Parts: sequence; C-alpha cells; structure tokens
Amino acid sequence: EVQLVESGGGLVEPGGSLRLSCTASGFTFSDAWMNWVRLAPGKGLEWIGRIKKNADGGTIDYAAPVRDRFTISRDDSKNTLYLQMNSLKNDDTAVYYCSTHEMARSTHWGQGTLVTVSS
Amino acid sequence: DIVMTQSPDSLAVSLGERATINCKSSHSVLYSSNNKNSLTWYQQKPGQPPKLLIYWASTRESGVPDRFSGSGSGTDFTLTISSLQAEDVAVYYCQQYYSIPFTFGPGTKVHIK
Repeated sequence: EVQLVESGGGLVEPGGSLRLSCTASGFTFSDAWMNWVRLAPGKGLEWIGRIKKNADGGTIDYAAPVRDRFTISRDDSKNTLYLQMNSLKNDDTAVYYCSTHEMARSTHWGQGTLVTVSS
Repeated sequence: DIVMTQSPDSLAVSLGERATINCKSSHSVLYSSNNKNSLTWYQQKPGQPPKLLIYWASTRESGVPDRFSGSGSGTDFTLTISSLQAEDVAVYYCQQYYSIPFTFGPGTKVHIK
C-alpha cells in the first residue's frame, strides 16, 4: 500500500523558516516524480512545485509565488521528499501536501501538514 | 501561465439528480503527440487530501464509481456526477498538467439541495 506521510509543520513567525518532510513507502520512491501542493484557509488548491526522479535529471520546477523562497529536494536513500521554506509570509499559511506525479495526474497524496505563519 | 476557471462556484443538487461542473482553460491542454487532453479532476472533502477521480479528461481512476464521468477537449471540460449520493458532497477541482505551473481551477463546492 502506498503511503505518504508529511511532517514538520507548525507555527512560525513571518520571515522565519521551516522544513517539511514527506516520507514515502509502498512504492519505489527513487522512480517517482513528486509534487508539493498546498491548501490555504478559505482558498483552493495551489501547485507549489515538482521534482523529477534523479534518473530523469532530478529537474525541479516551482510556482512563481514560492520560486525564490522555497526549495524542493529529495533523499532517495531515505525515501523522503523535502520542502525547505524560507522568508515565510502570512500568505504561506496552509496545509501542505506531497503527492506522487504520474503522467498527467497525482494519484497518491499524503494527509498533509499544517503550516501557520503568524506573529 | 494557463488560467483555469470553473463554474459554478457552488452547486446544490438533490440526491439522485445529476451534477455538472464546468472547467475552462485559457489555453488548449490537448497534447498533439498523443491526442490526449492533460486535464485532471479531483474531489476533496473537509480534512482530507484530494482524491484523483478523472485524468486525461475522461479516464476514470481505478475504484472511482462510474457515476463520475469526464468529457471535453481543448479548453472546455465537464465533470458529471450522474446520480448524486450523500458521500459526493465535496469540493471538486480541475487541474491542467499541460504546462508548468500545473494550475488548478478555483474549485466547485457541491452540496445537497
């Protein structure tokens, strides 16, 4: 059974940093492309970024609102995806989800981790 | 960026009746290489992650009830729930996977009339 478990969320002050983790099991993580997606309170889903598998170059793409502040990485030896978030703003308050990225879809999703940016 | 719009914002439907959600993209999401539309539908219930319903605009994900169907091509797409059940109350999102950023529509909230 595929499982994705996010962790690392919490309360952080504006301008602060946080690193989220997504631990995968039940599939060959090193073969997977992965996404981060967030859901802000009262808003809709927002795609944040995607990382390809290392065999495909490990290319990373970001959405414009986070491009210069967030960094996606992966450690295939630990079956873990990361989202390093710097210079956090109030608008970054959201539930953050990791998901698998197959051709034209995201089949498997974690339960999400809540990030609250507030002073 | 491809902008995704959905209509209506909210939809009230009686149990057993049909629900229709529209999604429009600002640019065609049809891949000429395989003649498939890179348009995906998700269902999200409160406190839960999104659930994949439909991909390639009309391919139902394994395990999704056949009352859910997707149609459309190019820039105009539709998700239809043929006979609304109580467990279908949720927000429904379309997403394009044609080009980065992989933008979502704003969502359509479906509830029982």
